[in-house]
Amino acid sequence: QQPVQSPQAVILREGEDAVINCSSSKALYSVHWYRQKHGEAPVFLMILLKGGEQKGHEKISASFNEKKQQSSLYLTASQLSYSGTYFCGTEQGGSEKLVFGKGTKLTVNP
Amino acid sequence: NAGVTQTPKFRVLKTGQSMTLLCAQDMNHEYMYWYRQDPGMGLRLIHYSVGEGTTAKGEVPDGYNVSRLKKQNFLLGLESAAPSQTSVYFCASSYSTTVQYFGAGTRLSVL
Repeated sequence: QQPVQSPQAVILREGEDAVINCSSSKALYSVHWYRQKHGEAPVFLMILLKGGEQKGHEKISASFNEKKQQSSLYLTASQLSYSGTYFCGTEQGGSEKLVFGKGTKLTVNP
Repeated sequence: NAGVTQTPKFRVLKTGQSMTLLCAQDMNHEYMYWYRQDPGMGLRLIHYSVGEGTTAKGEVPDGYNVSRLKKQNFLLGLESAAPSQTSVYFCASSYSTTVQYFGAGTRLSVL
């Protein structure tokens, strides 16, 4: 079942923060985050395994609450280069594939 | 270092025509995937493969067939194209259910 992402879109000014959420009704083994710029292929950001671990990547970090089957992506002090569509992909235990959400479009303006 | 290469990049078909999309990876990955991307729908899995000679259905397999005769190649076929198959198609590969590396995509229009 496709995970639900929120919000669908967000507009920021450079330097502002944003949070993107991803929730599933299924028990999850891991959550993956990807970013896709317009006209390009999706690019991997990070994987979170069950255990509530928070990972960081420069000013982008994420958490995974396995009890709630939710993951959140945190973008701090946003830069123009952060603009794009962010997708979460969820993996259920024993599955060989990811199911992606519909995406969150992030626009960072000067 | 090519990574994942998709051919062709663009294609226009007439309803009922057939075509094959080719995905090639040079990273020795076991897993390969075909997705379609439509506005507002995210990435939806069509078919995937967990090794040479294996294939499995994803979320939206109808109207498509696949083959993985060689480890490095994953082919997606449309036997009788329909306008509903107008989309952007992405191929991806990975070692297992880890980081997926995507190709640049194929834009397909079916008239």
